[in-house]
Amino acid sequence: AQSVSQHNHHVILSEAASLELGCNYSYGGTVNLFWYVQYPGQHLQLLLKYFSGDPLVKGIKGFEAEFIKSKFSFNLRKPSVQWSDTAEYFCAVKVSSASKIIFGSGTRLSIRP
Amino acid sequence: DTGVSQDPRHKITKRGQNVTFRCDPISEHNRLYWYRQTLGQGPEFLTYFQNEAQLEKSRLLSDRFSAERPKGSFSTLEIQRTEQGDSAMYLCASSLGASGLSYNEQFFGPGTRLTVL
Repeated sequence: AQSVSQHNHHVILSEAASLELGCNYSYGGTVNLFWYVQYPGQHLQLLLKYFSGDPLVKGIKGFEAEFIKSKFSFNLRKPSVQWSDTAEYFCAVKVSSASKIIFGSGTRLSIRP
Repeated sequence: DTGVSQDPRHKITKRGQNVTFRCDPISEHNRLYWYRQTLGQGPEFLTYFQNEAQLEKSRLLSDRFSAERPKGSFSTLEIQRTEQGDSAMYLCASSLGASGLSYNEQFFGPGTRLTVL
């Protein structure tokens, strides 16, 4: 069965620090990969997705992620975080032939102003 | 607001009671999904509809759970004889599915938080 692992449960950074959140998935076939974000009190919303093509994908608010197929990884990065990035971040995978999305357990990001 | 809406936003019930939640997807979306999210975890897939047909159900969806989408628009999720372990956030999502497209973004609603006492 497919699964998604997020290695960091809670990350605390100061403003302007660089961010990298780890994500690994288990599935040997073709996948679509996502990062979702949930700001406090708000809906889950899509931050970025990998569907095919360039493995370096750019999303909203300066976030990017790199798909490394050989490592089954899809790490999220941002060069300089802001206080407004405080949120919970979920990595997710969808087997391309299926409809459901499998989510990781999430990483809570706290930014010190 | 043209996003996914869910009602109610919060529900507190006593163990053994039945509860029903409603989801209204984005109007042109033909696919509708239910997920459950417990504290400290990511959402877990429960079931999925394409139009009015329920095409997939997770093992998590026990006999006490039933979902419908009678006219291919809104959907309801009913839990019978609730248990304390049913306490969770129930999320609905919708997407526009079409043949030839491998991926269509799922848009999530605000969720219904269920507390079973």
